[in-house]
Amino acid sequence: AQSVAQPEDQVNVAEGNPLTVKCTYSVSGNPYLFWYVQYPNRGLQFLLKYITGDNLVKGSYGFEAEFNKSQTSFHLKKPSALVSDSALYFCAVRDMTRGSTLGRLYFGRGTQLTVWP
Amino acid sequence: DTEVTQTPKHLVMGMTNKKSLKCEQHMGHRAMYWYKQKAKKPPELMFVYSYEKLSINESVPSRFSPECPNSSLLNLHLHALQPEDSALYLCASSPRQVETEAFFGQGTRLTVV
Repeated sequence: AQSVAQPEDQVNVAEGNPLTVKCTYSVSGNPYLFWYVQYPNRGLQFLLKYITGDNLVKGSYGFEAEFNKSQTSFHLKKPSALVSDSALYFCAVRDMTRGSTLGRLYFGRGTQLTVWP
Repeated sequence: DTEVTQTPKHLVMGMTNKKSLKCEQHMGHRAMYWYKQKAKKPPELMFVYSYEKLSINESVPSRFSPECPNSSLLNLHLHALQPEDSALYLCASSPRQVETEAFFGQGTRLTVV
C-alpha cells in the first residue's frame, strides 16, 4: 500500500527564517512524490515532484524538497519564509501498485504553515 | 492552457434540489477526477474517469452521479443531498503517465441547507 505521513498539523515560522514541512512515505517500489499547496477556499496548486534523479528538487515560489531514501522522507523546504507562504501544504504519493495505471494520488493529512511578520 | 475550470464557484442547494457541478480542461488529459474536501482535511477521492469511462467509484452514495460527456468535460450531478455533503468539491485532471502531476481546479464550495 502507498501512503504518506505529515507528522505536524501546524508549523509556525517567522518571516525571513528558513522553513521545513515534513513528509515521510511508505511505498512498495520507487516512490513518485509530490507537494501541493492550498490557499483558503482555493484548489490545490502543484509545487514540485520527485520521480527520479537528483535528491534535491526545486519547485515553484522558491520551494525545494529533499528526497531521502534511507529515511523515507521528502521534506519541503524554503530558505527564507514569506508571510504569503502561509497556507495548507499537502504531501502526496502516486499509487504505483502493479495493475494500477491511473496513478491515483494518496495525500497526507496536511500541514498548516503560518509565517508571521 | 494549463487550467482546470470549475463552475459554479459557490452553490447553495436544498436537500430536495437537483444541481450539477461542471469541470472543463483543454490540456488533452485523459484522466479526470472528482474529490471531496472538508475543511482543513486532505481531498478524498470520489470518482476517476479514464478515456471517458468510469474507472473508480470510491463507494460514493448514489445521490452523487458523475458524467463524462467528452474528453474535456466532467460533470457531477447532485440530487437529494444531505447537510453533511457540504464541502469543497475539486476536479482534477492528469495525463495517463504517472510521472506527471495532477492539475486541480479552484473547486466548488457546496452548501446543503
